[in-house]
Amino acid sequence: KNEVEQSPQNLTAQEGEFITINCSYSVGISALHWLQQHPGGGIVSLFMLSSGKKKHGRLIATINIQEKHSSLHITASHPRDSAVYICAANTGNQFYFGTGTSLTVIP
Amino acid sequence: DAGVTQSPTHLIKTRGQQVTLRCSPKSGHDTVSWYQQALGQGPQFIFQYYEEEERQRGNFPDRFSGHQFPNYSSELNVNALLLGDSALYLCASSLMTQGYEQYFGPGTRLTVT
Repeated sequence: KNEVEQSPQNLTAQEGEFITINCSYSVGISALHWLQQHPGGGIVSLFMLSSGKKKHGRLIATINIQEKHSSLHITASHPRDSAVYICAANTGNQFYFGTGTSLTVIP
Repeated sequence: DAGVTQSPTHLIKTRGQQVTLRCSPKSGHDTVSWYQQALGQGPQFIFQYYEEEERQRGNFPDRFSGHQFPNYSSELNVNALLLGDSALYLCASSLMTQGYEQYFGPGTRLTVT
């Protein structure tokens, strides 16, 4: 069993839709990261969370420490949001990554 | 302010050969972590360097080794390459006192034939 599980694996949405990606983890964490990876490989760090909720533009990330669960929400999705979104659990010693959620937003 | 840079961008090697990948951290960062990402998979932690020493290591064989230089840049070396070593190798930098936030480089795509 992977230390970090994401769902769904693949997601297709119409432009403007509200999107939710879920992440569950089984390890004790110092922080939970949401990353965005575009085709070609470059990774951008979107959020680092240790509690509560963070918002950046149309992106919102929440975490429930007791339930070991985090969600990434995208409001008013746009085709440029199409990418792979990866959840990563930071134990303080190392990172455990989910396999990613591939998002395609159709115009 | 340059972010994390990696070189080369792409690399093709033959089984049994050795390869060296390079990473320059974001300005002001002192810690470098290396990750391997196989096609269609999430990244896997290889190891982390701080103060020129390997501080943490993931589940990778000794064929994978590294180095950190006084200017905080780092190298990843892989010996006796296998076909299964073909992957995107990502470097991330951070500041040890704020180690939870990492900045990723664009990666080096290694193909072993």
